[in-house]
Amino acid sequence: QQQVKQSPQSLIVQKGGISIINCAYENTAFDYFPWYQQFPGKGPALLIAIRPDVSEKKEGRFTISFNKSAKQFSLHIMDSQPGDSATYFCAAVEYGNKLVFGAGTILRVKS
Amino acid sequence: NAGVTQTPKFRILKIGQSMTLQCAQDMNHNYMYWYRQDPGMGLKLIYYSVGAGITDKGEVPNGYNVSRSTTEDFPLRLELAAPSQTSVYFCASSYDTPTGGMPQHFGDGTRLSIL
Repeated sequence: QQQVKQSPQSLIVQKGGISIINCAYENTAFDYFPWYQQFPGKGPALLIAIRPDVSEKKEGRFTISFNKSAKQFSLHIMDSQPGDSATYFCAAVEYGNKLVFGAGTILRVKS
Repeated sequence: NAGVTQTPKFRILKIGQSMTLQCAQDMNHNYMYWYRQDPGMGLKLIYYSVGAGITDKGEVPNGYNVSRSTTEDFPLRLELAAPSQTSVYFCASSYDTPTGGMPQHFGDGTRLSIL
């Protein structure tokens, strides 16, 4: 039973396009929603995060949109670049700063 | 700055063998975590620790043991290795927080195959 559901599994986007990854959760006790980026052979690294009292957060080309009533959140990557090609994980944090991860999205940006 | 260091990077074990995956962090983080990553499954929490001498189970603890004798080190032990434990193992650390939401810093993983 997956507490955080992520889609799509993989995504191919042209350079300069917008990449969109979606996540949904069930547990209303989650109170922090980070996105992690992982390159091959490396551990995940925090990309951007949001708390549920905010509907949108933007950092450079990366934006999180958060819909608390629908229990959904998404990552938008504007002007996608080949260097953005990686695996992206959404996550939710529960007590003890424990991360519950989505299954991941493999993003490929074609040049 | 080393961050989170995991050793070894790769290991092949035979069924029934045991081994310890090492994890060390130099950021003085109180919280440390062990995850396993299987293809298409994301990362799942095995064990975590909120400080030296304190450990607790995560989502998938069976077949593993941990200890935390110092702030810096958090080894993960596999007893009687089984093929189902073939995975990539990640250690992470973070500062503590009463409300959650501190970034976790990950090591580069240990790739373990059990044959």
